[in-house]
Amino acid sequence: QQQVKQSPQSLIVQKGGISIINCAYENTAFDYFPWYQQFPGKGPALLIAIRPDVSEKKEGRFTISFNKSAKQFSLHIMDSQPGDSATYFCADDKIIFGKGTRLHILP
Amino acid sequence: GAVVSQHPSRVICKSGTSVKIECRSLDFQATTMFWYRQFPKQSLMLMATSNEGSKATYEQGVEKDKFLINHASLTLSTLTVTSAHPEDSSFYICSARSSGGNEQFFGPGTRLTVL
Repeated sequence: QQQVKQSPQSLIVQKGGISIINCAYENTAFDYFPWYQQFPGKGPALLIAIRPDVSEKKEGRFTISFNKSAKQFSLHIMDSQPGDSATYFCADDKIIFGKGTRLHILP
Repeated sequence: GAVVSQHPSRVICKSGTSVKIECRSLDFQATTMFWYRQFPKQSLMLMATSNEGSKATYEQGVEKDKFLINHASLTLSTLTVTSAHPEDSSFYICSARSSGGNEQFFGPGTRLTVL
């Protein structure tokens, strides 16, 4: 099932810093690249997504960057806040999830 | 965004019993619904995909006779865990997608504990 590979598995960032999570995919037929955020005991929620016809998309403090030639996309969280502490998942073309990255923002 | 509900949010049952979990799309028609299982500190594992009015498609390794999925309407899908055992204890999450849409909307999850 694993068609997307996420890194790192866990990440600790100081408050105000930049959090960067990467995802590598295999299938070049994918046309939708989402990042999901999940808090403990809750279902995941879509954070931001991008289509392959653009290289970057920004929504507030969250930016998704897409590198088609490298088959990678990444999530950047600017000015990271303690409330951003959660698990983040990338997914392939909608339904198969990466293994997740546990992000902890130090206050 | 669209809202998906799950019921119950938490259930405890005895080994050998069956448990039904409901997933509802509250404000849109969900032509496709997905069922996931998530063990502690692990990722979501897709169990099956169901399209309204047709049989569910199960992922490899998921027993279709144990995890019965029904998607009888555009707003409701159910997952029945039959003859539950302690190893079935997990967090079950559904998601729903409308026709032609990319985005999945996730339910809040159901915590199943089998004693």
